[in-house]
Amino acid sequence: ETGVTQTPRHLVMGMTNKKSLKCEQHLGHNAMYWYKQSAKKPLELMFVYNFKEQTENNSVPSRFSPECPNSSHLFLHLHTLQPEDSALYLCASSPHRDISYEQYFGPGTRLTVT
Amino acid sequence: AQSVTQPDIHITVSEGASLELRCNYSYGATPYLFWYVQSPGQGLQLLLKYFSGDTLVQGIKGFEAEFKRSQSSFNLRKPSVHWSDAAEYFCAVGASNDYKLSFGAGTTVTVRA
Repeated sequence: ETGVTQTPRHLVMGMTNKKSLKCEQHLGHNAMYWYKQSAKKPLELMFVYNFKEQTENNSVPSRFSPECPNSSHLFLHLHTLQPEDSALYLCASSPHRDISYEQYFGPGTRLTVT
Repeated sequence: AQSVTQPDIHITVSEGASLELRCNYSYGATPYLFWYVQSPGQGLQLLLKYFSGDTLVQGIKGFEAEFKRSQSSFNLRKPSVHWSDAAEYFCAVGASNDYKLSFGAGTTVTVRA
């Protein structure tokens, strides 16, 4: 595997379910990001981790809980979601948490909340 | 705070024709500007970026963009599009002392034969 991978690629869950999204980067990067992409809206930055430490929580509801056990893995734990949380969730990584470094994106997880 | 506007939601262009995608930003200081492309089922890929220097920037896949400070614009161009250029294109802006990107809502490009 190369680059940034995300699993699962598609997820359908009920509002009372608990599920997790997984992101793995094989690039040796130190910063990782979660974004939410809704149709025809700008990407929304949700969380940022730098050297496994959370450095950004962009006013995200507590039903989204991130976890970064090491610099290569990032999880997004989901529980009691709302239909408006249906979106494409993108993971990205960069060598360092600095705008001069390119962010590399995974293909995303398409989440549908029923 | 910075923001980005992409005025065109959808553009249709014939294969072989030229393409220009508009991007306007709002930011008080010198911005860091980016164009990303997202093909169906894929994540975003960086096409090009501008930090400083020459205002005409060359990127991958034959794309270029021009930074015009007076117009607060960073338009993306390609002289001759290929069917594989059909995708969604995102402009983004950031600050030199930050790590966060502000994205536009995107422009969908359809290429007709």
